[in-house]
Amino acid sequence: GAVVSQHPSRVICKSGTSVKIECRSLDFQATTMFWYRQFPKQSLMLMATSNEGSKATYEQGVEKDKFLINHASLTLSTLTVTSAHPEDSSFYICSAISGGGRTDTQYFGPGTRLTVL
Amino acid sequence: GENVEQHPSTLSVQEGDSAVIKCTYSDSASNYFPWYKQELGKGPQLIIDIRSNVGEKKDQRIAVTLNKTAKHFSLHITETQPEDSAVYFCAASMGSSASKIIFGSGTRLSIRP
Repeated sequence: GAVVSQHPSRVICKSGTSVKIECRSLDFQATTMFWYRQFPKQSLMLMATSNEGSKATYEQGVEKDKFLINHASLTLSTLTVTSAHPEDSSFYICSAISGGGRTDTQYFGPGTRLTVL
Repeated sequence: GENVEQHPSTLSVQEGDSAVIKCTYSDSASNYFPWYKQELGKGPQLIIDIRSNVGEKKDQRIAVTLNKTAKHFSLHITETQPEDSAVYFCAASMGSSASKIIFGSGTRLSIRP
């Protein structure tokens, strides 16, 4: 149980284009999802908290107009990187919390490797 | 702000020996401490967690200890195997938030055959 998937696993795009990443909880309903970014050989940095049916809460320093988050259902959250630039190249990882279980245990997706040319 | 420090950054142990990773946290309100294992190119996998009402927890070869007074917690892996090689992250809940966590900087564990 508690499986989280991400799609795509890897994406390469040109500078200036937008990229959408999907995060799905496969076997549970996720009241809260999180989006992290991880640069090579570094730790995970929280970007935003996504709650179903409400606006995402962004961490300090994260541009909400550049990283659009939509949490339209209890099993799906999407992150759209708008007007991507090479410095946005990173490993993006989502996590989800089950509403029916412990309210603090996060289950992570496999990550999406974004490369902006 | 809240901070989690993790040591060492790299650790190499002989197969069969034990490995210990230590973390300290700054927020005395933190009450949830998970440990994650991350293999190359993959997302973090929860391996064990502990809550502030417990001092120690064990799951087969993995154990975690928590000292709330000193604000530090540790991961112990016994009888290490090659498949234990990965990056390990500790984390602590952010104050009174029931769900947000802050990660340590990670420890790259290598098991020598």
